[in-house]
Amino acid sequence: DAGVIQSPRHEVTEMGQEVTLRCKPISGHNSLFWYRQTMMRGLELLIYFNNNVPIDDSGMPEDRFSAKMPNASFSTLKIQPSEPRDSAVYFCASSQTGGLGGETQYFGPGTRLLVL
Amino acid sequence: AQSVAQPEDQVNVAEGNPLTVKCTYSVSGNPYLFWYVQYPNRGLQFLLKYITGDNLVKGSYGFEAEFNKSQTSFHLKKPSALVSDSALYFCAVTAAGGYNKLIFGAGTRLAVHP
Repeated sequence: DAGVIQSPRHEVTEMGQEVTLRCKPISGHNSLFWYRQTMMRGLELLIYFNNNVPIDDSGMPEDRFSAKMPNASFSTLKIQPSEPRDSAVYFCASSQTGGLGGETQYFGPGTRLLVL
Repeated sequence: AQSVAQPEDQVNVAEGNPLTVKCTYSVSGNPYLFWYVQYPNRGLQFLLKYITGDNLVKGSYGFEAEFNKSQTSFHLKKPSALVSDSALYFCAVTAAGGYNKLIFGAGTRLAVHP
């Protein structure tokens, strides 16, 4: 099994530019999660999809952030326009159903974003 | 509201000695508890979880954790530490009955010295 795949692994961009992060969940998994990791705030859940539908986006910082899941094997997290404070490591995770607690979430390797 | 506390930013232990990484939680209802490990520049790797049943849970790489309901704790343990265990460890909780929304602790850095 390939695990959760994220691209790019590293992204350096300038303030004001659009950034798109990509995620391919584990095949057969119906839930997908986007997290952000920073030194100051630790690991934060940004958004959760179940069966391609956004269920909880309460963690999305502001309107500059948007996420989509057009099909079961692909999701994007977009930041437009990007700001230096968006610099962080962004993780994608998937789990088999996600409908009930207790399921293991499997994390991708992350995208390290630096906004100059 | 759910929360997780990892009271130690860093734990130092000598190779071969037992190690403990502490975690306490707060949740309404029955908890589901997880431990993950993060190596430098890597994603989080699942170690073990408590759902129900035996309070002592065994996981990957010789790690185990003990669920203590009265103390609301879920400490991670290993009888004999290895230098390769040096990493960042995260405790996480979610409440039974809700969706699988994990709340993570701040993390504890484990340093195992030769």
